[in-house]
Amino acid sequence: AQSVTQLDSQVPVFEEAPVELRCNYSSSVSVYLFWYVQYPNQGLQLLLKYLSGSTLVKGINGFEAEFNKSQTSFHLRKPSVHISDTAEYFCAVSKETSGSRLTFGEGTQLTVNP
Amino acid sequence: GAVVSQHPSRVICKSGTSVKIECRSLDFQATTMFWYRQFPKQSLMLMATSNEGSKATYEQGVEKDKFLINHASLTLSTLTVTSAHPEDSSFYICSASSPLGREETQYFGPGTRLLVL
Repeated sequence: AQSVTQLDSQVPVFEEAPVELRCNYSSSVSVYLFWYVQYPNQGLQLLLKYLSGSTLVKGINGFEAEFNKSQTSFHLRKPSVHISDTAEYFCAVSKETSGSRLTFGEGTQLTVNP
Repeated sequence: GAVVSQHPSRVICKSGTSVKIECRSLDFQATTMFWYRQFPKQSLMLMATSNEGSKATYEQGVEKDKFLINHASLTLSTLTVTSAHPEDSSFYICSASSPLGREETQYFGPGTRLLVL
């Protein structure tokens, strides 16, 4: 079975500062990796995903993530955040052959302050 | 992009009644739909996986007789919470996927807030 650990439950930053949200996973098989964002009282929106190929993945809203197989990490980064980026962020994994069954991390609340 | 809708967005019901939540894929056919439950300030917990035309697969600890899932078409899945109790109050989110080759991406609905009084 695979598992996902998001190392920070809350990350407060100031507007225009860079941010990194950390995600580590464990799995005995190859996985697909995802980052989702959830705004209050809403469903999840896909930010980006890694399936194969280049380990640096660019997503929407200026976010990017880097897959590091040796460190089993998939950290999410943004060079300059906006107040509108305030939301809950979830890292998730699925096994390549699992039919999209996702395992989620506990989530990281990003709060961008003026 | 792929759009998934849920109805209703919010429902309040009395204890002991049943509530039906609909999940629709609006612009694609979903071979598989998933139902999640999310308690406040917690992550999403998968309840069941639903494939069109077959019985749903429930996760361990989820009562299949209490949470009835029907996936009658490639664009619609329903979750019925039977004899709801206050502890069933939660945020229920569905997602849909339609694998194309190696693409394995789930698209999520906006969620349904259930409050059982």
